[in-house]
Order: sequence, then structure tokens, then C-alpha cells
Amino acid sequence: AQTVTQSQPEMSVQEAETVTLSCTYDTSESNYYLFWYKQPPSRQMILVIRQEAYKQQNATENRFSVNFQKAAKSFSLKISDSQLGDTAMYFCAGDSWGKLQFGAGTQVVVTP
Amino acid sequence: DAGVTQSPTHLIKTRGQQVTLRCSPKSGHDTVSWYQQALGQGPQFIFQYYEEEERQRGNFPDRFSGHQFPNYSSELNVNALLLGDSALYLCASSFQSINYGYTFGSGTRLTVV
Repeated sequence: AQTVTQSQPEMSVQEAETVTLSCTYDTSESNYYLFWYKQPPSRQMILVIRQEAYKQQNATENRFSVNFQKAAKSFSLKISDSQLGDTAMYFCAGDSWGKLQFGAGTQVVVTP
Repeated sequence: DAGVTQSPTHLIKTRGQQVTLRCSPKSGHDTVSWYQQALGQGPQFIFQYYEEEERQRGNFPDRFSGHQFPNYSSELNVNALLLGDSALYLCASSFQSINYGYTFGSGTRLTVV
């Protein structure tokens, strides 16, 4: 069984600042994938960043980066230089054998 | 390049009725997964189709069934609708479940009254 926990219901950040979202992922699988998805009001789930559990190096995609601590089961997302368009619900998700398990989500609000 | 297309976008049904939701995967994708997202929650996995067969299933009753066609498009059917079935239903496609991340559609908002 897999569990994904996001303990921050909402985070507010000013434009150009940095915000970090927390996630813990617990699984008995040895190899798995972790994702952060963004869901704006348009409802479409958009892939932000992906991390393979066996890779030591943390993934980075432009202003988005993760800090994956496998032993601590921690998978946090850092958004740098926040933009108004980053306002959305962010979901952490784990994938093992093709089935995504999502956390409850963190609402990120970027203010001018 | 068309992404994942879902229809309809919104739907209102009466308790006890049956509903069919449709999904066309992204071009080049052959695997379709369905998720239910209740208001204020993360999506929950319903099932996944590959090669026209149900490959995996989440913790949903048999009232939820699906189908995949030879062109990889898929349908989600829900029988005997309950008020609790009101949710956003998301379709996601991928190529053979390779974990590069799934492409999601914008969903169908189902309201059961």
C-alpha cells in the first residue's frame, strides 16, 4: 500500500518570492516514481516535475525543483521566483506499476 | 497535437440513472486511466485500460465499469448513480504506463441530484 501526505492546506507567497511545499510518500516498493502536478481553476492536471526514486540527483524544471530524501520519505517542491500564473492547487503523487496515488493537495496563492 | 479530450464537460443526472463518460487519449498514447476527484480532495484511481482490457482497478464498486476501443479511446460507465458519485472525473493517458508522467484531460464534472 502507498500513502501520500500533504500537510499544508494552503500556502501564500508574494510574486518573485520562493515557496516550498511538503509531501511525504510511504511505500513498500523499491522502485517508484514521484510527481508534482498543478491543477489550476481550468481543472486540467498539469505535470510540473517528475522524480525517479532510484536516482540520487534531485529533479529540476526551470523555476521548479524538488528535494527528495528517500530515507525520510520526503518529497518537497520548491517554486522559485513565483509568478501570478503559479496560483493553483498542487498535488504530490506517487506511482507504482501505473497507478497514481495523490495527496490531498496544497493550494498555492501568489499575490502581487 | 491534441491532448486528452473528455466529453461531456458537465453533466447532471438523477440518482439511480446510468452515465457514460468518454475519453480520447493523447496522440501516440495507448493506455487510459480514470480518476474520481471529489470536491476539495485529491484524485482517486478507478481503473486503467491497456490493449482493451482492464489492467488495474482501484477500490471502486462494480457499478463502475469501463471499456477501451481499438483506437485507444475509452468510456467510463457508472450504473445506479448515488449522490456520492458527484465529482470531477479525470481521464489520463500514457504510453504503456511508462512513468514519464501521465497527460490528463480537463475532466467531466458530474452532478447527481
